[in-house]
Amino acid sequence: NAGVMQNPRHLVRRRGQEARLRCSPMKGHSHVYWYRQLPEEGLKFMVYLQKENIIDESGMPKERFSAEFPKEGPSILRIQQVVRGDSAAYFCASSPVFDWSTDTQYFGPGTRLTVL
Amino acid sequence: AQRVTQPEKLLSVFKGAPVELKCNYSYSGSPELFWYVQYSRQRLQLLLRHISRESIKGFTADLNKGETSFHLKKPFAQEEDSAMYYCALSGTNRGSEKLVFGKGTKLTVNP
Repeated sequence: NAGVMQNPRHLVRRRGQEARLRCSPMKGHSHVYWYRQLPEEGLKFMVYLQKENIIDESGMPKERFSAEFPKEGPSILRIQQVVRGDSAAYFCASSPVFDWSTDTQYFGPGTRLTVL
Repeated sequence: AQRVTQPEKLLSVFKGAPVELKCNYSYSGSPELFWYVQYSRQRLQLLLRHISRESIKGFTADLNKGETSFHLKKPFAQEEDSAMYYCALSGTNRGSEKLVFGKGTKLTVNP
């Protein structure tokens, strides 16, 4: 099992461009979580998705950010019209069907977004 | 409000010395507590969690509900323990699966 995959690992965008971050969960996992880590900060929850459903988006900024997890293919975090404040490391995690007492979230290596 | 506080940004100890990484939390309800570790150039990985009651790599953590703490301890630190450590919590009900992280403590174990 290759683990959670994220690509690209590094992404550079100019202000106003779009950023697309991809996450392939571990085999057999149907739950995906996105977290953002700003410099000198801990990871902050953004969104929790299951296949074709957004379960919890309480951490997503109201504008410019969107996420999806289609029936086929990876989960995508999209940031439109990026600004310098979007520069951060974005981590994806996946878990099996959730049972809080046994399951845990497995993290990908992250995508480091730099906005020039 | 849900919050995890790790008061020490940096912690430096000598090999063989005891180490304690502090974690305090605020949560309305009964959370599950975790310690995640990130070694240099590796991804974030689970070290241990409260419900498992396990000792992993010599580390233990005890949940103190009165003090709302979940400090991570190891009696004899090793150089390979040098890493970034994050304390986190989640809920135990459906709909509360998201992890809330502290800002992390960078542990350096000197030879």
